[in-house]
Amino acid sequence: EAQVTQNPRYLITVTGKKLTVTCSQNMNHEYMSWYRQDPGLGLRQIYYSMNVEVTDKGDVPEGYKVSRKEKRNFPLILESPSPNQTSLYFCASSPRKRVNLPTGELFFGEGSRLTVL
Amino acid sequence: GESVGLHLPTLSVQEGDNSIINCAYSNSASDYFIWYKQESGKGPQFIIDIRSNMDKRQGQRVTVLLNKTVKHLSLQIAATQPGDSAVYFCAENENFNKFYFGSGTKLNVKP
Repeated sequence: EAQVTQNPRYLITVTGKKLTVTCSQNMNHEYMSWYRQDPGLGLRQIYYSMNVEVTDKGDVPEGYKVSRKEKRNFPLILESPSPNQTSLYFCASSPRKRVNLPTGELFFGEGSRLTVL
Repeated sequence: GESVGLHLPTLSVQEGDNSIINCAYSNSASDYFIWYKQESGKGPQFIIDIRSNMDKRQGQRVTVLLNKTVKHLSLQIAATQPGDSAVYFCAENENFNKFYFGSGTKLNVKP
């Protein structure tokens, strides 16, 4: 089954304790990205990656790191989490082309709810 | 970043009626627009997209209209069903890299 898998789905942690949210897709998509979703603010892009070893900042990259060492994986790293990073996080991937036309269709994971105390 | 807004945070419709969800965007350079549906506890799911060289695109029971003059996007759902109850997001994009999402409209379908 074609899917984007995030882990963990739920996590409660404390300020300053490094954590990683993993994201893996099995659709051979080149493009992957991370979003955070907060009430009243919709989805905001944190980082995106056009291909292996290529990453770029989105709108809200502060406090986050990413890496893209392999095509299928795009982990989100919080080196020193703070309470303002409490949020619902989504990973997404895109084929970039559909029927030889560019597409921005994103396939989302189920989300990871993170609480930082 | 650019802002993408919605006119109504909540929309209630009767089952069987048509629904219209509106969206305003502000980046004149955006050349691609997408509608997503998010059901409770799930990730957003692609519904339909439209490129800036079009003003209308139809899918199964859904139609997206784009008015570039007033920077307005709408999603029309025909014969709304209970399964359509969800939050709907519009998103704008330039060059298929960065995506800007609106804050969402909640659609309630009354039986």
